[in-house]
Amino acid sequence: GDSVTQMEGPVTLSEEAFLTINCTYTATGYPSLFWYVQYPGEGLQLLLKATKADDKGSNKGFEATYRKETTSFHLEKGSVQVSDSAVYFCALQAGANNLFFGTGTRLTVIP
Amino acid sequence: GAGVSQSPSNKVTEKGKDVELRCDPISGHTALYWYRQSLGQGLEFLIYFQGNSAPDKSGLPSDRFSAERTGGSVSTLTIQRTQQEDSAVYLCASSTTGAGTDTQYFGPGTRLTVL
Repeated sequence: GDSVTQMEGPVTLSEEAFLTINCTYTATGYPSLFWYVQYPGEGLQLLLKATKADDKGSNKGFEATYRKETTSFHLEKGSVQVSDSAVYFCALQAGANNLFFGTGTRLTVIP
Repeated sequence: GAGVSQSPSNKVTEKGKDVELRCDPISGHTALYWYRQSLGQGLEFLIYFQGNSAPDKSGLPSDRFSAERTGGSVSTLTIQRTQQEDSAVYLCASSTTGAGTDTQYFGPGTRLTVL
């Protein structure tokens, strides 16, 4: 069945450090891939998405590239800020139309 | 424009009681989803409505859970005879058409606590 495997957290980084959160997936067909973010005390919101192989999603300095050959959608940011502290969820949506989420990775950025 | 809204934001109930959770999707969105976010299980799909089609109930954990969507808009998730393991944040999302490439927009959730 469809599933997402996400890097376990928590992750703690200093401000301006480079961030990578790994995400790999298993799916039949050609899913769309998403990163959602949940800031403290707030609801789940879309960070970026990619709907086909080799697409790159980007937003707020974050990027992720849909790699079909490695079934991956790793999230990266070149220089994190304290305001990026949140829980990040990788997700896929395939033919079933509901999202399958990874377990979430808590990121804490310290000044 | 207005996003997805859910009510109540918090609900505390006693074991064995029934609860109703409400979701107002974004106007014009034909697809509506319910998910549950709990400590032990992460984010789980519960049920999906698309237009006038029969809902996809494949994620409902037991027959104590049901949902309806009236008039293709507002949805109500009902949990009968609540149990402590039902304690979680219940999230509603909507999307334009339900297509695999559509973005799902989430509401703020209802935090349910079963004592």
